[in-house]
Amino acid sequence: GAVVSQHPSWVICKSGTSVKIECRSLDFQATTMFWYRQFPKQSLMLMATSNEGSKATYEQGVEKDKFLINHASLTLSTLTVTSAHPEDSSFYICSARDPPREAQYFGPGTRLTVT
Amino acid sequence: QKEVEQDPGPLSVPEGAIVSLNCTYSNSAFQYFMWYRQYSRKGPELLMYTYSSGNKEDGRFTAQVDKSSKYISLFIRDSQPSDSATYLCAMEDNYGQNFVFGPGTRLSVLP
Repeated sequence: GAVVSQHPSWVICKSGTSVKIECRSLDFQATTMFWYRQFPKQSLMLMATSNEGSKATYEQGVEKDKFLINHASLTLSTLTVTSAHPEDSSFYICSARDPPREAQYFGPGTRLTVT
Repeated sequence: QKEVEQDPGPLSVPEGAIVSLNCTYSNSAFQYFMWYRQYSRKGPELLMYTYSSGNKEDGRFTAQVDKSSKYISLFIRDSQPSDSATYLCAMEDNYGQNFVFGPGTRLSVLP
């Protein structure tokens, strides 16, 4: 199956700083990538959808100035959490769509802890 | 009514049992149906991907879709402790939009 990686897998940062999370499709080109967040024992919540070379589409209630998404190439999307606060602590997961199969393939996730 | 509903569990079964996981949905536009497995603190792993109604088998896993009843199922035969995870159904409409996850069912397979 298609492989998606994320880096870092776990990050701890201080309140007020910014954190960048990378999502890469390793063996396929992904025209569309998705960013989710997940709180403990809850399902995934879609934050935004990004298409290569265009601006991301954010879900209602997600602050686009706080969660900056860049999809600069067909294999890389980044999520930057700006001015992070403890309430941003969560599990962030990206996924990428392999067009011929139309399924979403997920990365292993990044655990963000803001102190 | 939520767009996709799923028994939350937790569901506990003995090793070797047949497990049935189910989702119901309300949007008749859904055409693509998926089952994902998520281990704790990991990203979801695609198990099955089906289009429209019918059955699909892959090893110990069988996915069934009944669009007339808006009901999908995942069966796991000869369940193993390593199958212990949260299982998420997901579905999408014919235009590649409106991708929706179910809330997930936690499964424990006891040795």
